[in-house]
Amino acid sequence: AQTVTQSQPEMSVQEAETVTLSCTYDTSESDYYLFWYKQPPSRQMILVIRQEAYKQQNATENRFSVNFQKAAKSFSLKISDSQLGDAAMYFCAYRSASTGKLIFGQGTTLQVKP
Amino acid sequence: ETGVTQSPTHLIKTRGQQVTLRCSSQSGHNTVSWYQQALGQGPQFIFQYYREEENGRGNFPPRFSGLQFPNYSSELNVNALELDDSALYLCASSPATGSAGGNEQFFGPGTRLTVL
Repeated sequence: AQTVTQSQPEMSVQEAETVTLSCTYDTSESDYYLFWYKQPPSRQMILVIRQEAYKQQNATENRFSVNFQKAAKSFSLKISDSQLGDAAMYFCAYRSASTGKLIFGQGTTLQVKP
Repeated sequence: ETGVTQSPTHLIKTRGQQVTLRCSSQSGHNTVSWYQQALGQGPQFIFQYYREEENGRGNFPPRFSGLQFPNYSSELNVNALELDDSALYLCASSPATGSAGGNEQFFGPGTRLTVL
C-alpha cells in the first residue's frame, strides 16, 4: 500500500523569506502523480502544484516549486518570497495513475511571520 | 462557473443516528470523491463515484455508503453514527474519465459533523 509522510508538523518562515516543506512517500508503482494542497483555516483545500512521476523536470508555479527525487521517493515544496496569505496547512498527496484515490500526508502547518 | 458546494455546513448528531451529506460537483465534472478529515489530520479517502457507479473505496465500513445522481451530484450516507465519525467531510469533483490519475480534484468547503 502507498503511504505519504510529512515529518514536519509545523514550520514557520519570515515574510519574504524562503521555506521548504518536506514529504516522502512509499510506492511500488512506477506511474503516479504527486500533489501539494493548501488548506487555509476554515477555507477550502486548493491545489498548489502537481508533478507527474514520468517527468524529470521539477514543476513550478510562480513562487512555488518542487524538488522531486523519484529514486529517493521525496517530494518537497519550496515557497519563495513567502507572503502572509501563504499561512495554511499544507498537504502532500499521492495518486496512482490507475485510480482516483488521493492519499494524503498528515500535513504541515505553515506560519508566516510579518 | 460554479465550484463544488456542500451542504449542510455544520451538523450535530447523536450516536446511533443516521446522516446524509450532500455535494454538488463543479460544472462539467462527472467524478466525485469523498474524504473524511479528522481534526489536525490529513483527509482519508472514503470512496469515489463515476457516472453513478462506485469506482473505488477506502478502508471504511459498509455503514458508509454513497450515491451519485444523473446530474453528477452526490450524497454520503453514514448509518449508526459513532463518536469517531466526528470529522470534516470533504467532497471533491474532477473531470476525470474513470480513474485518470492526473486530473485535478476540486474540493468543496466540507461539512463539519459532530457526533455526541
